[in-house]
Amino acid sequence: DSGVTQTPKHLITATGQRVTLRCSPRSGDLSVYWYQQSLDQGLQFLIQYYNGEERAKGNILERFSAQQFPDLHSELNLSSLELGDSALYFCASSVAASGITGELFFGEGSRLTVL
Amino acid sequence: AQSVAQPEDQVNVAEGNPLTVKCTYSVSGNPYLFWYVQYPNRGLQFLLKYITGDNLVKGSYGFEAEFNKSQTSFHLKKPSALVSDSALYFCAVRDLYNFNKFYFGSGTKLNVKP
Repeated sequence: DSGVTQTPKHLITATGQRVTLRCSPRSGDLSVYWYQQSLDQGLQFLIQYYNGEERAKGNILERFSAQQFPDLHSELNLSSLELGDSALYFCASSVAASGITGELFFGEGSRLTVL
Repeated sequence: AQSVAQPEDQVNVAEGNPLTVKCTYSVSGNPYLFWYVQYPNRGLQFLLKYITGDNLVKGSYGFEAEFNKSQTSFHLKKPSALVSDSALYFCAVRDLYNFNKFYFGSGTKLNVKP
């Protein structure tokens, strides 16, 4: 158990809909990262938050947005869903400060299926 | 920019044989390198990391990795493969001075056959 919790584990929805994925980082971790993993694909970095502030953006679509709340949990919002958005979405957390060399801890992922 | 490359999409090895999963890196400054394993429908699990010190790093489940600065490589190794080692393996590099971004390789699928 990594200590990172993601909900829901599975989600099936229709095209055009909107969903919210939730992540609770490990206790004490201030930084949250979101990744997308499509079938047989590698990890695509979406976005990173540190202590409530957006720190880095990757290949995140404009239809997607995220935020990190004061209690450090994070939500990834996916809207106007398309078939191609079907994927595993991972959250990871880390202590993020300059000079810290710790690893990322991943949640078990949320599997989104868009029909 | 920091990056890692995993040149093999798939590695096949017989149980009991040694295995190697390759990773090369490109970084400016000191490399901070990681290996993760992903079992089907699971999250990524940390195996080991190289920060500084000995070039041979030991990690979980009997895995180790050899850091080679001259060849800019960080290959994952295990002396004797198990069928249960079959999984997807990712190499990653951490950019400490760019908001701690992690850059992952494309992944290598390891198949260990009985």
